[in-house]
Amino acid sequence: GAGVSQSPRYKVAKRGQDVALRCDPISGHVSLFWYQQALGQGPEFLTYFQNEAQLDKSGLPSDRFFAERPEGSVSTLKIQRTQQEDSAVYLCASSGSGFTGYTFGSGTRLTVV
Amino acid sequence: QKEVEQNSGPLSVPEGAIASLNCTYSDRGSQSFFWYRQYSGKSPELIMSIYSNGDKEDGRFTAQLNKASQYVSLLIRDSQPSDSATYLCAGNPYSGAGSYQLTFGKGTKLSVIP
Repeated sequence: GAGVSQSPRYKVAKRGQDVALRCDPISGHVSLFWYQQALGQGPEFLTYFQNEAQLDKSGLPSDRFFAERPEGSVSTLKIQRTQQEDSAVYLCASSGSGFTGYTFGSGTRLTVV
Repeated sequence: QKEVEQNSGPLSVPEGAIASLNCTYSDRGSQSFFWYRQYSGKSPELIMSIYSNGDKEDGRFTAQLNKASQYVSLLIRDSQPSDSATYLCAGNPYSGAGSYQLTFGKGTKLSVIP
């Protein structure tokens, strides 16, 4: 596609509910990133894929967070047993070969009530 | 802890003036730096990248990097009201070959007054 596509755009979850956030990167981009952005803060790194391999998951805040990219294109970020502190905008970004910065999707705003 | 620090602002400048946005970073191994613009309720948009010491110009934007002082800046000439946004500075902390993680500052909110 022309840009990074994320869905849903907004998600309201009850505390304890599981959620799945989808990211469709720019076609042909091998690198895919997930970031979490709390209100008034800069994005914080969660995890990074190169094709289907998850090369860095050091930013995932707990074992409730899980990400996958099984075929090296679409990625899903799953949050189990959501907590109020998980409320944030989840941003996906992708990058082609080399590293010249990356393009963010429009994000998913998660609100846990 | 590898950090990128920015003054949160708000920074207010009159239309037509030069806006100067500053950023410092703690990781001496950082190789690449980026400036993103984020409008309220929108996602960050890449506007400049810089990899070597000195200045890099692109239209009304100039990025400056001083690795000895661990300092990055962004100058916006002839500021326009449409430049009003939060500007995020980001660095690529070195953590091995092929590591493309970015560390972001909290952002500086810029307001350009007509």
